[in-house]
Amino acid sequence: DTEVTQTPKHLVMGMTNKKSLKCEQHMGHRAMYWYKQKAKKPPELMFVYSYEKLSINESVPSRFSPECPNSSLLNLHLHALQPEDSALYLCASSQDPPTNLDTQYFGPGTRLTVL
Amino acid sequence: AQSVTQLGSHVSVSEGALVLLRCNYSSSVPPYLFWYVQYPNQGLQLLLKYTSAATLVKGINGFEAEFKKSETSFHLTKPSAHMSDAAEYFCAVSDGGGATNKLIFGTGTLLAVQP
Repeated sequence: DTEVTQTPKHLVMGMTNKKSLKCEQHMGHRAMYWYKQKAKKPPELMFVYSYEKLSINESVPSRFSPECPNSSLLNLHLHALQPEDSALYLCASSQDPPTNLDTQYFGPGTRLTVL
Repeated sequence: AQSVTQLGSHVSVSEGALVLLRCNYSSSVPPYLFWYVQYPNQGLQLLLKYTSAATLVKGINGFEAEFKKSETSFHLTKPSAHMSDAAEYFCAVSDGGGATNKLIFGTGTLLAVQP
């Protein structure tokens, strides 16, 4: 099973709302990633977790708060977002410790719209 | 820093024709290179990856890519295009230095297949 699942598929939220995105994998991977993808652009890395610890934060604004409660789950908590944060948010996972050879397996994404 | 450049943001081919999507890399160390495909409203799926074991890499769905160090290229090809190949294709290089697995994506090439 090489599946990464993400919920919800679509999310519409106002600028004052608090919401969370969820990602789950059962491949035994210990590295998990959040990417942001704007329309017609490549994915941009936001965060990397390795063994449930945050290892990379690509200078993401604090209105995005990642959480890795266990080795299978990755959350992205959203608060006070701006309309420009509207994008497809992709989760990925790979084996750990992460090396340059590893394949990242991507979920289908959550399409986020901020009004 | 490592990077990849994809020449041609849009490529259109006829069904049954050769597909050639171009990717050039910039790297000071031996690179690890990937091709991902993204179908509309979906996540990314790995087509193939180069890890220095062989210069000609075969992937899924009949795609292959050849690593050419002298040309710093990793172009993706398929002998005969199918309608189902219409999608966005991303070339990526792994930039991790062994401690992390950070994918740097090219800007993508949108492949259209005409009947």
